[in-house]
Amino acid sequence: QQQVKQSPQSLIVQKGGISIINCAYENTAFDYFPWYQQFPGKGPALLIAIRPDVSEKKEGRFTISFNKSAKQFSLHIMDSQPGDSATYFCAARFNSGNTPLVFGKGTRLSVIA
Amino acid sequence: KAGVTQTPRYLIKTRGQQVTLSCSPISGHRSVSWYQQTPGQGLQFLFEYFSETQRNKGNFPGRFSGRQFSNSRSEMNVSTLELGDSALYLCASSMWTSGSDREQFFGPGTRLTVL
Repeated sequence: QQQVKQSPQSLIVQKGGISIINCAYENTAFDYFPWYQQFPGKGPALLIAIRPDVSEKKEGRFTISFNKSAKQFSLHIMDSQPGDSATYFCAARFNSGNTPLVFGKGTRLSVIA
Repeated sequence: KAGVTQTPRYLIKTRGQQVTLSCSPISGHRSVSWYQQTPGQGLQFLFEYFSETQRNKGNFPGRFSGRQFSNSRSEMNVSTLELGDSALYLCASSMWTSGSDREQFFGPGTRLTVL
């Protein structure tokens, strides 16, 4: 019940295309859903986050779509660029806040020209 | 503002040895969390410290331990190393432990290889 399932494991997208990464969770006590971006040799960095009272959040080319009834959320990267090539992790945290993030297993995105 | 720093960045040890990794959080941050990252399991939570007290612990054997000092710097120790302990160990800091949307800032990690 504490798992976050992420798909696909890897993704290849043409430059200018849309990258879509999906995550699903079981525990309805989760109330904070961040996405992290990790480049080789670096630690993960917060990209964008959403709470379940919002169905969509957009920051630049990055959008989180959240479906509370389906217990799913996804990251959309519009106009994907080679510089977006990285590993992306979805995560979730319980509403108490005093709990660790639970991470999906990651998606390796490659944007090719 | 300096980010989270971790030392050393790379480490090679042999089975049975023990290792200590260090993490210096962002100035003003009092919470430090440790994660193990492997290709197969992704990021798995090890433990979290706040004000020198362990607040949360993940599902790892007792060989994995940590501590936090009064200046918020943290160390983690792995004793009796096994081949499966080879991983990237990440440290993350945040200002507080409460609030589900508290942002965690990750360091670059320490790459541990056990031979």
